[in-house]
Amino acid sequence: SAVISQKPSRDICQRGTSLTIQCQVDSQVTMMFWYRQQPGQSLTLIATANQGSEATYESGFVIDKFPISRPNLTFSTLTVSNMSPEDSSIYLCSVLLAGGSNEQFFGPGTRLTVL
Amino acid sequence: DAKTTQPPSMDCAEGRAANLPCNHSTISGNEYVYWYRQIHSQGPQYIIHGLKNNETNEMASLIITEDRKSSTLILPHATLRDTAVYYCIVRVAGNQFYFGTGTSLTVIP
Repeated sequence: SAVISQKPSRDICQRGTSLTIQCQVDSQVTMMFWYRQQPGQSLTLIATANQGSEATYESGFVIDKFPISRPNLTFSTLTVSNMSPEDSSIYLCSVLLAGGSNEQFFGPGTRLTVL
Repeated sequence: DAKTTQPPSMDCAEGRAANLPCNHSTISGNEYVYWYRQIHSQGPQYIIHGLKNNETNEMASLIITEDRKSSTLILPHATLRDTAVYYCIVRVAGNQFYFGTGTSLTVIP
């Protein structure tokens, strides 16, 4: 298994500002992903965070709005830029462990409220 | 896009088996079926996964039909702590998960 931490766990932000969310894993991973979960909704995949290269974004998500970094195998950041109230969601990272495990492990999430 | 459809909600009596169905009629031959659950907006928790054969672990059993177009997650003796949203997911070739709407299971005392 893996222990995944996210910082901050929650935040309240003003519209027009940006927030960077960190995801740290205690194990070597092959893949890292970022999801958004809007209130009362299911999870939506934002992007795959690629180590040392640009993230791969899903339809409807763009780098200017959600820049992602992954400088090493165990750490990634997601920035929510120029926020609006519609960005109020829980943001979760998930990882696929190295070593052949087929499970994706999810972090506890970051609860973001934009006023 | 999600490849799965599930009923939006189900109830189950405590101590009875909970059988949660999932349709995935467009699944490809090498795509796995995964089940996760989410309690109170915590991060989703892995339950079980399978490709063709039925699978069982300490949490649940997974029954996949022979044509692989549907599956059923079985919680053999549901407890109140099993109340959660259960997601059936088809893992695509790139290892991405596309979540459907899930089934909200309520275990009733």
